[in-house]
Amino acid sequence: GAGVSQTPSNKVTEKGKYVELRCDPISGHTALYWYRQSLGQGPEFLIYFQGTGAADDSGLPNDRFFAVRPEGSVSTLKIQRTERGDSAVYLCASSKGLAGVWNEQFFGPGTRLTVL
Amino acid sequence: DAKTTQPNSMESNEEEPVHLPCNHSTISGTDYIHWYRQLPSQGPEYVIHGLTSNVNNRMASLAIAEDRKSSTLILHRATLRDAAVYYCILRATWMDSSYKLIFGSGTRLLVRP
Repeated sequence: GAGVSQTPSNKVTEKGKYVELRCDPISGHTALYWYRQSLGQGPEFLIYFQGTGAADDSGLPNDRFFAVRPEGSVSTLKIQRTERGDSAVYLCASSKGLAGVWNEQFFGPGTRLTVL
Repeated sequence: DAKTTQPNSMESNEEEPVHLPCNHSTISGTDYIHWYRQLPSQGPEYVIHGLTSNVNNRMASLAIAEDRKSSTLILHRATLRDAAVYYCILRATWMDSSYKLIFGSGTRLLVRP
C-alpha cells in the first residue's frame, strides 16, 4: 500500500516568507509526528498528533512554527517569517493506534526546505 | 533519557556480515532497544527492536548483551542497498513520551562492491 507522502519534496524560499509543508500519513494511522533533520544530524522531534489534536508540541523551536491536522489525517506544518536557520529536511511519520514504544513509525521521504 | 554511543562510520564488503555496535551503559530495565536506518535521500525506516533476548527478522538480527549495556545489529549479508545511516535508539516503556524517537548521529555504513 501507499506509504507516507510529503509535498513538496523541495522548497526554496526567501528569508521572512511563510511556508507550508504537507504530510499525508498512511491511511488509518491515527498517530502522526513531525521531525526536523539538519545536515549531518539525526532527526529531532517537533510535534506529535493523536487524531486531530497535538498531544505534544514540545519540540517546536518557537512560535513561528505551527502544525495542524484538522480531520485527523493530512497534516500541515506552517512556518512563519522563515529564517536561514530553518533550512533543514522536515520529516513526517505515522503509526497505528496509540503511539507507544512498540509501535513502528513509518517515515515519509521528507521536504527539503532551503531559506535564502 | 538514557544515551547511546555508536561509531561514526563503518565499512563492509558486499555479501559479508556486518556487526554494528551500540553502547547504552545507562539503559534502564524497561528501555527497549530500537534500530532504524536511513537510506540516502529517504526518511528513516524501522529495522528491529528488542528488550532482553536476541531477536531476528527478515532484515537483521539484534544481539543484546546479558547486562544490556550494549547491543549489536547484525546484517548477515550486506548488499549495496544496505548502505545507510543506522540509528540505535532507546525507548522507555514507562515514559508518557515514549512515542518520541530520540536519534543520535548514528553509524554511516559504507558497503564496498
